[in-house]
Amino acid sequence: EAQVTQNPRYLITVTGKKLTVTCSQNMNHEYMSWYRQDPGLGLRQIYYSMNVEVTDKGDVPEGYKVSRKEKRNFPLILESPSPNQTSLYFCASSLTGAYTGELFFGEGSRLTVL
Amino acid sequence: KQEVTQIPAALSVPEGENLVLNCSFTDSAIYNLQWFRQDPGKGLTSLLLIQSSQREQTSGRLNASLDKSSGRSTLYIAASQPGDSATYLCAVFNTNAGKSTFGDGTTLTVKP
Repeated sequence: EAQVTQNPRYLITVTGKKLTVTCSQNMNHEYMSWYRQDPGLGLRQIYYSMNVEVTDKGDVPEGYKVSRKEKRNFPLILESPSPNQTSLYFCASSLTGAYTGELFFGEGSRLTVL
Repeated sequence: KQEVTQIPAALSVPEGENLVLNCSFTDSAIYNLQWFRQDPGKGLTSLLLIQSSQREQTSGRLNASLDKSSGRSTLYIAASQPGDSATYLCAVFNTNAGKSTFGDGTTLTVKP
């Protein structure tokens, strides 16, 4: 089944404890992206990757890191999480870049930072 | 900076009614526009994708139009059903390839 898989789906952590949210897609998509969704602020793009080893900042990249060492995986790294990073995070992928194909989303990862 | 606005924020209709959801964007330099559906606690599901050179797309009871020059898109849902109840989001993908901007969504409730 074609899908975007995120882990963990739910996580409660404490300020400053590094964490990684994994994202994997099995559709051989070139493009992948991370978003956060907050009440009243909508869905905002954090980072995106047009292909392996190519990443770029979205609108809210502060406090996050990403890497794209292989096509299927695009992990989101919070080096030192803070309470303002409490949010619902989504990973998405598209076949040949966002401007040509539809986006497929994962189920989301709900993160709480205490 | 691209801004996307969706009106109304919430809509409640009786089953069977036809309805229109609106999306407007400030920068017409886009590659495409997509409409998504989001159910509570779930991810987003793509409904329709309109490339910048297209005027509309149809899928079943859904029809989306795009007027790039005026910065507007509409999603038309025919013969609404309770199962259509969800939040509908539109997103534009900018000519700075890879960047996307989402609206805040319209929460639709279809009453039996």
